[in-house]
Amino acid sequence: QLQLQESGPGLVKPSETLSLNCTVSGDSISSSSYYWGWFRQPPGKGLEWIGSFYYSETTYYSPSLRSRVTISVDTSKNHISLKLSSAAAADTAVYYCARHLEKPGNFHYYPMDVWGQGTTVIVSS
Amino acid sequence: QSVLTQPPSVSGAPGQRVTISCTGSSSNIGAGYDVHWYQQLPGTAPKVFIYGDNNRPSGVPDRFSGSKSGASVSLAITGLQAEDEADYFCQSYDRTLSAYVFGTGTKVTVL
Repeated sequence: QLQLQESGPGLVKPSETLSLNCTVSGDSISSSSYYWGWFRQPPGKGLEWIGSFYYSETTYYSPSLRSRVTISVDTSKNHISLKLSSAAAADTAVYYCARHLEKPGNFHYYPMDVWGQGTTVIVSS
Repeated sequence: QSVLTQPPSVSGAPGQRVTISCTGSSSNIGAGYDVHWYQQLPGTAPKVFIYGDNNRPSGVPDRFSGSKSGASVSLAITGLQAEDEADYFCQSYDRTLSAYVFGTGTKVTVL
């Protein structure tokens, strides 16, 4: 059974880099047919897409965050990493990882069908 | 950024029918991109409830249905039950923003 688990520091200081991991169990990232996306949800607000990774292909980033975001993979640990530089209070959110089948931009695509439980990150001094 | 607009809340008595609207634009829903609906219970991850405008994953009751008209979609819940109390989000893709976009979210309350 596929499971995703986010992990990382729950508190990050302003201007520092926010770093999170999404560990995948039940599938191998390097041989999967799926994209692995990062999303976030600020307190009391809606969801926001951060970016999506597909092994050996282009990583897609939200243009609004592209300048600060890096998504990468550690195949030995079978996890996807998220790094968000120059963290600010506006980056305080619950961060989720989720899988989806098609690359961003297709008119017809399946939804994000498996999600991690999420991890809360607070940016504060 | 929430470019899909939803009402903040809707409510209804058990057994009633409620609808949640999701209004986009010609850059997203109106352009023909699929729309999906997610249910989110407090403190939990989103769960797909409707995909591809009006398809239900296995396990989702058939009292949930979706519809589309132009740049707007709607989620209808008929025969409202206490277990339906949750937040619901719509989601699509925006070609101007080159990004997946989500709705502002609607809280469904069962009176």
